[in-house]
Amino acid sequence: DIQMTQSPSSLSASVGDRVTITCRASQSITRYLNWYQQKPGKVPKLLIYATSSLQSGVPSRFSGSGSGTDFTLTISSLQTEDFATYYCQQGYSTPRTFGQGTKVEVK
Amino acid sequence: QVQLQESGPGLVKPSQTLSLICTVSGDSISSGGYYWSWIRQHPGKGLEWIGYIYYTGVTYYNPSLKSRLTISVDTSRNQFSLKLNSVTAADTAVYYCARDSLVYGWFDPWGQGTLVTVSS
Repeated sequence: DIQMTQSPSSLSASVGDRVTITCRASQSITRYLNWYQQKPGKVPKLLIYATSSLQSGVPSRFSGSGSGTDFTLTISSLQTEDFATYYCQQGYSTPRTFGQGTKVEVK
Repeated sequence: QVQLQESGPGLVKPSQTLSLICTVSGDSISSGGYYWSWIRQHPGKGLEWIGYIYYTGVTYYNPSLKSRLTISVDTSRNQFSLKLNSVTAADTAVYYCARDSLVYGWFDPWGQGTLVTVSS
């Protein structure tokens, strides 16, 4: 199985901050990397697929980059509604696997 | 728009079988454009992919659950289902169904999720 490791596990930030979350795969997954946002008690929401493609309706302050084993999700200017947990997920091979999540909290 | 809805018992006794159905609307499972996946989330924990099915009945299961798992599809009803046998408290989780892209393997949309508790 491909292991996905996110860092940090949690972070504290303020509205307007630039936030970066890293995801590392245990082997190359080329660009088969997807990002999700989950708010407490809610369903995970696809934000970015194929490393850098923004899902329809997702604000442009979200962006993704990377390739191979190292990937990044960036929120350019954190908004109130962005406080949530973010998961990366590889779609390169089965079993599909997720990172452990990064919780973005209010500073 | 495409919607998925899980249904099934919210309480299952240990050693019994957990059974859930996912009903799809706004898309046809038979279109062949996607896999159809089950994903679970233990309380307060991360996401675990359970397995997927294609409209032809081809399946792939997470090896960690494979010995207890059956995923099937009913294209006439536009539904797919999950059966997990010999459950324990460790199977208590929110279970989601989701559409699974053939390329890049992303999940969208998801069902609203259903909490299944394993307890006597």
